[in-house]
Amino acid sequence: AQSVTQPDIHITVSEGASLELRCNYSYGATPYLFWYVQSPGQGLQLLLKYFSGDTLVQGIKGFEAEFKRSQSSFNLRKPSVHWSDAAEYFCAVEGGGFKTIFGAGTRLFVKA
Amino acid sequence: DVKVTQSSRYLVKRTGEKVFLECVQDMDHENMFWYRQDPGLGLRLIYFSYDVKMKEKGDIPEGYSVSREKKERFSLILESASTNQTSMYLCASRTGTGGEKLFFGSGTQLSVL
Repeated sequence: AQSVTQPDIHITVSEGASLELRCNYSYGATPYLFWYVQSPGQGLQLLLKYFSGDTLVQGIKGFEAEFKRSQSSFNLRKPSVHWSDAAEYFCAVEGGGFKTIFGAGTRLFVKA
Repeated sequence: DVKVTQSSRYLVKRTGEKVFLECVQDMDHENMFWYRQDPGLGLRLIYFSYDVKMKEKGDIPEGYSVSREKKERFSLILESASTNQTSMYLCASRTGTGGEKLFFGSGTQLSVL
C-alpha cells in the first residue's frame, strides 16, 4: 500500500534563510509525487509535481523538489524564504488507480 | 477556472443524526475525492470515485458512505454522526488522467455535538 511520511511536524526558519521540507514515500513503483501548500484559511494549492524525467522539478513561488529513487524521497526546497511562505505543506503520492494519499503535513513558521 | 463547491462552510449536528455533505464540480472531471483534515494527521482519504456510480474506499471509510449519481456531484454521508467525526471535510476533483492535480473545495467544518 502506498504511504507518505513527513517527519517534521513543524519547522521554523528565519526570513531569507533556505528551507528544506522532507518527504518519504512508500510505493512499489515510481508514483506521481506532489507538493501542495495550504495558507491560513485558504484551500490547497499545487506547488509542483513529478512523474518522470529530470529528478529536479521547479514549481511556483520559487520552490523546487528533488526526487531520489534510492531514498524514496521527494524533498521540497527554497533558497530564500519569505514571510508569506508561512503555511502548511503537504506531500502527496498518487499510485495505481488514481488514489492520492497525503502526508501529515509540515507547518512552516517564518521568523522576522 | 475550475470550481469545486461544497454546500456548507460550517455545519453543526447532533450525535446520531444522518449528515449529508455535498460537493459539486463544474469541469466534467472523472475523479472525485473526499478527505478529512485533522491537526497533526494531514488529509486522510475517506472515499473516492473514478466515474459515475463507481466508488472506492480510501484509508478511513468506516462510518461513512458516498453517492455519485451524476458526474458533477459527489456526496459524503454520515449514517449516524458521532463526536469523533468532528473534522474539516475537503472535497476534491480532477480529470481521469494520471498525475493531474487535485482541485479542492473550500471545505466544510463539521461539528458533532
